[in-house]
Amino acid sequence: DTEVTQTPKHLVMGMTNKKSLKCEQHMGHRAMYWYKQKAKKPPELMFVYSYEKLSINESVPSRFSPECPNSSLLNLHLHALQPEDSALYLCASSSGANVLTFGAGSRLTVL
Amino acid sequence: GQNIDQPTEMTATEGAIVQINCTYQTSGFNGLFWYQQHAGEAPTFLSYNVLDGLEEKGRFSSFLSRSKGYSYLLLKELQMKDSASYLCAHQAGTALIFGKGTTLSVSS
Repeated sequence: DTEVTQTPKHLVMGMTNKKSLKCEQHMGHRAMYWYKQKAKKPPELMFVYSYEKLSINESVPSRFSPECPNSSLLNLHLHALQPEDSALYLCASSSGANVLTFGAGSRLTVL
Repeated sequence: GQNIDQPTEMTATEGAIVQINCTYQTSGFNGLFWYQQHAGEAPTFLSYNVLDGLEEKGRFSSFLSRSKGYSYLLLKELQMKDSASYLCAHQAGTALIFGKGTTLSVSS
């Protein structure tokens, strides 16, 4: 298995909702990432988990809460989001100081 | 600090060769990556340079000069399917920091 799987592919939520994005990989990668990408912009790093521990938080607002239950899973919990948070959320994994493999992304719309 | 600069847009015709340049400034260098991203899809890995010189992979090649903080991606025998955004990225620790990307449009 050489893929990173993200669910859901599309999510529409209101500003008072609580939802979660999920990411899974079975490549034995020990680093997992969340990136946010707005239209016609490059991916922006949000969080990095290394060996299931949060190693980088790029000053992301607390309404985004990452969780790494085990080495294969990465979640992004969403609460009280704003319309400007609408974007493509990309999960990626890597074996360390090496190539990142991206999932297809979860397209989030906040109403 | 880290700064990555690449052209915003480029156009070319089928069968041609195109070179996409990337310049970077960084306080520490761990490697330079190129990714391709089609509209609405995830970025996919194209190439990686950590040492100076040219890395060739079929129709795609990437060059790095660490002393000049410069890289380029060379695409040969362009095809319509090569129309995409090409992202230059610098490795910071275990994370990639992306440049703004170059949108390449290939016409017939």
